[in-house]
Amino acid sequence: TQLLEQSPQFLSIQEGENLTVYCNSSSVFSSLQWYRQEPGEGPVLLVTVVTGGEVKKLKRLTFQFGDARKDSSLHITAAQTGDTGLYLCAGSAGANNLFFGTGTRLTVIP
Amino acid sequence: SQTIHQWPATLVQPVGSPLSLECTVEGTSNPNLYWYRQAAGRGLQLLFYSVGIGQISSEVPQNLSASRPQDRQFILSSKKLLLSDSGFYLCAWSSPRGTPDFGPGTRLTVT
Repeated sequence: TQLLEQSPQFLSIQEGENLTVYCNSSSVFSSLQWYRQEPGEGPVLLVTVVTGGEVKKLKRLTFQFGDARKDSSLHITAAQTGDTGLYLCAGSAGANNLFFGTGTRLTVIP
Repeated sequence: SQTIHQWPATLVQPVGSPLSLECTVEGTSNPNLYWYRQAAGRGLQLLFYSVGIGQISSEVPQNLSASRPQDRQFILSSKKLLLSDSGFYLCAWSSPRGTPDFGPGTRLTVT
């Protein structure tokens, strides 16, 4: 089983602050996805990164895939209350094989 | 566009009772279909996936089973629920090489 460890597990910050969430593994993945999940709903895909060293920006969110394709980070600039949720990374090791991280629960306080 | 439906949204069942959760997908054909379980706001555990009608792969041995009677229908079942079966069950679909897109989920509480 390929494990993806996310840190921190919980994060509570003030609106307007910046934050970074990490996703680490000892395994190499062909691609890595980031999802955000609201309570009582299914996860929603934010981004997919496939190339080692790749950086993708989605408005205030910046995603980076590690050079060795074993880790990733999500950086949020000027957090807003709407960013509150559970952030999940997931690594793909092949068809039909997606391993989910342990999750980071983010709370943005107004 | 594709849409994925799950029902019921919530379910409370006694220990030892049967279970049937249904998932259907619209707007695509021959999707890959998945059942995941999520415990208490944590990561997702893949239970079953299917690449076609009648083709089911199980990832975790347990008292649950899955069936795919039609191309866009995926059913999760149990003959006798255990307390440990409580959780948030998510159905997902993907194209053959795509990333899973999740349904709204079913909250199951076994009492």
